[in-house]
Amino acid sequence: EDKVVQSPLSLVVHEGDTVTLNCSYEVTNFRSLLWYKQEKKAPTFLFMLTSSGIEKKSGRLSSILDKKELFSILNITATQTGDSAIYLCAVVPIIQGAQKLVFGQGTRLTINP
Amino acid sequence: DAGITQSPRHKVTETGTPVTLRCHQTENHRYMYWYRQDPGHGLRLIHYSYGVKDTDKGEVSDGYSVSRSKTEDFLLTLESATSSQTSVYFCAISESKRGSYNEQFFGPGTRLTVL
Repeated sequence: EDKVVQSPLSLVVHEGDTVTLNCSYEVTNFRSLLWYKQEKKAPTFLFMLTSSGIEKKSGRLSSILDKKELFSILNITATQTGDSAIYLCAVVPIIQGAQKLVFGQGTRLTINP
Repeated sequence: DAGITQSPRHKVTETGTPVTLRCHQTENHRYMYWYRQDPGHGLRLIHYSYGVKDTDKGEVSDGYSVSRSKTEDFLLTLESATSSQTSVYFCAISESKRGSYNEQFFGPGTRLTVL
């Protein structure tokens, strides 16, 4: 059974801090790993990591994938209150057709001013 | 935002009653999905569709059925709602380009409470 585990489940930090969110996975036929940000509504896509793209960066957010150790991390530097959200990690078992994402539990990140 | 709407956005119902949630898209995407989100579980796939009248089960399909009679609409039905089906339900859509990951776009969600 495919499985994705995120840690920590909840994290509270002060504005300006750097945070690291973790995602480990066990999945057959791994194709890619995704990070989503969810505020008070629908999840929005952040990054996709594959064997051909194991590191991504966008502004203060960056992510790496370790295919050997089966985990990914999402780093956020110089956090702002707008970074407060649930961060979801998901794996994609296939790349064509219907893509049945397998999500982790999510990490609830709270940034205090 | 991708053109996805869900209705209703909020619903309170009683145990044993039938409930139908609707997902409507204006993007003409081939694939549609229903997820539920519960604390401690992230999002879990209920059912998905790969075309009109073509559907299949996800990991938590018991107690749910779906139908897709038109490309733009994907209905999720709880034949006899139970309290364990109290959740937030998200619809998602994706395209069908070959050889690449096709991002899933999520609807705004429906909060369902079964008393």
